Amino acid sequence: GAGVSQSPRYKVAKRGQDVALRCDPISGHVSLFWYQQALGQGPEFLTYFQNEAQLDKSGLPSDRFFAERPEGSVSTLKIQRTQQEDSAVYLCASSLVTGSGNTIYFGEGSWLTVV
Amino acid sequence: DQQVKQNSPSLSVQEGRISILNCDYTNSMFDYFLWYKKYPAEGPTFLISISSIKDKNEDGRFTVFLNKSAKHLSLHIVPSQPGDSAVYFCAADSGAGSYQLTFGKGTKLSVIP
Repeated sequence: GAGVSQSPRYKVAKRGQDVALRCDPISGHVSLFWYQQALGQGPEFLTYFQNEAQLDKSGLPSDRFFAERPEGSVSTLKIQRTQQEDSAVYLCASSLVTGSGNTIYFGEGSWLTVV
Repeated sequence: DQQVKQNSPSLSVQEGRISILNCDYTNSMFDYFLWYKKYPAEGPTFLISISSIKDKNEDGRFTVFLNKSAKHLSLHIVPSQPGDSAVYFCAADSGAGSYQLTFGKGTKLSVIP
């Protein structure tokens, strides 16, 4: 597609429920990122993939969060046993390659509300 | 410990005037800086960037200035237009094949017609 596509756009989950957020990066983009943006904050790095390899997951806040990109294209961010503090916008981004000067393009985000 | 700081949560400017958005950083390893613009319910959109080897980069109405010694950068928009009303995020990375962007909290710009 023309841009980074994320689904669902909006998700309301009951506390304790598992959620899965999907990201379709720009076709041909090697690098894929997940960021979390809480209300009133800037985006914060969660994890990074280069093709299908997850090279950095240091930003994942707990072991309830995990991400995968099995075929080096679509990625899924899964949150198990959601908690209220997980409420945020989850932004997926992609870039052609990695490194300074390579523009990172963001999707519109998946807005998660845990009630 | 915020490594990228945008100390003004909001800014109002009259249409046609200059908008100046400021950003400070603390990590001396940062060597590439970006500005993103975000409309409500949309993802951040890349606006303009600057490498640490430069002190100015210009793209149409948008100019970014970098003062490395002061660890400060600013985004100038001139002339400001109502469509520029959005939240502007400053972001930085440390180059050398890095991939993690560190963002500020954003500044909400309102351009008044």
